[in-house]
Amino acid sequence: DIQMTQSPSSLSASVGDRVTITCRASQSISSYLSWYQQKPGKAPKLLIYAASTLQSGVPSRFNGSESGTDFTLTISSLQPEDFATYFCQQSYRILWTFGQGTKVEIK
Amino acid sequence: QVQLQESGPGLVKPSQSLSLTCSVSGGSISSGGYYWSWIRQHPGKGLEWIGFISDSGSAFYNPSLKSRVTISGDTSKNLFSLKLNSVTAADTAVYYCARAPPQGSSGWPIEHWGQGTLVTVSS
Repeated sequence: DIQMTQSPSSLSASVGDRVTITCRASQSISSYLSWYQQKPGKAPKLLIYAASTLQSGVPSRFNGSESGTDFTLTISSLQPEDFATYFCQQSYRILWTFGQGTKVEIK
Repeated sequence: QVQLQESGPGLVKPSQSLSLTCSVSGGSISSGGYYWSWIRQHPGKGLEWIGFISDSGSAFYNPSLKSRVTISGDTSKNLFSLKLNSVTAADTAVYYCARAPPQGSSGWPIEHWGQGTLVTVSS
């Protein structure tokens, strides 16, 4: 299995802050990495796919990047509606796997 | 815009089978090269891929569940189903159905999700 190690597991931030979440794959996954946002009681929502491509309709303050097996989700200026849990997911191998999630809370 | 909706019992007894269906609107499960998936989330936990079925009917499963799971499609009703046998309390989770684009698509993300349905395993 490809393990996805996501950090931090939680963070506290204020509106307007720049937030960075990291996901490390246990092996090369090319750019088969997606990021999702999940709010309580709701299904995950696709934010970014192919490591850095913004899904249609997602605000441009969300940015994805990659460096080898390390992937980063950056929110440039945190907005009130961004407080949620974020997951990464690899689809390089058909046994799709997810990171453990990062809960972004209000400071 | 494709929409997915899970349905099925919210309570299942231990050792019995869990059966869920996902009704699809706005797209056909038998065309387009899409992958129709089941994913679950244990309470307060992360996400676990259960498996998927392709538009041609080929199924792929998570090896950790493979001995207990079957995913099948019903093209006449445009829905796909999940059956998980011999359930225990550890199978209590929110179950999501979802759709991914053709495998050659950039990044192969999970584009569309159902709202999810909570299944509790308890006597």
